[in-house]
Amino acid sequence: KAGVTQTPRYLIKTRGQQVTLSCSPISGHRSVSWYQQTPGQGLQFLFEYFSETQRNKGNFPGRFSGRQFSNSRSEMNVSTLELGDSALYLCASSLYRLAGGNTGELFFGEGSRLTVL
Amino acid sequence: GENVEQHPSTLSVQEGDSAVIKCTYSDSASNYFPWYKQELGKRPQLIIDIRSNVGEKKDQRIAVTLNKTAKHFSLHITETQPEDSAVYFCAASSESGGYQKVTFGIGTKLQVIP
Repeated sequence: KAGVTQTPRYLIKTRGQQVTLSCSPISGHRSVSWYQQTPGQGLQFLFEYFSETQRNKGNFPGRFSGRQFSNSRSEMNVSTLELGDSALYLCASSLYRLAGGNTGELFFGEGSRLTVL
Repeated sequence: GENVEQHPSTLSVQEGDSAVIKCTYSDSASNYFPWYKQELGKRPQLIIDIRSNVGEKKDQRIAVTLNKTAKHFSLHITETQPEDSAVYFCAASSESGGYQKVTFGIGTKLQVIP
């Protein structure tokens, strides 16, 4: 079974630009969440999607947005990039069961490393 | 919202010694507490987890304890080996309508010295 796939793996942007990152979850996983990882802040929750709807949202400005498609693939977008947005963006998928809810374990992708110059 | 504090931020131990990482959380609704290990340049992976109805769980050299009253949980690694060197993240998760919101600690960089 293929793991969580994120594209692109590396990208460089300049301040003011916008970026779109993509995440393909493990087959059968309908829940996708996004995290920002920086050396000083650890893993910070951005948002979670299930069935094309945002279910939870972290404390990030409106410049950070996301969406999920009917095949569970997800994208996140950051507009008007700032230097502080430089980070590793991790996507994770998890299995959601109708009886019992979310199983809990997150399966992470390798991340998209964004550098803002 | 939930706040998870994790300490220490760095930890060095001699091979064969034990390592302990501690976390506290603020939201009493949190009911699932996973630990993830992230080796250098790799993705985080779940190593052990515990739910709120259990006080302790073991898996070979790794154990996690949970004190719901005090809102803290700990990771214990015994007989450490060089391959245990990594960043460890604790997390607290609460469910709302079946959907979980996971809050991570800041991470502990563990170095096992051969």
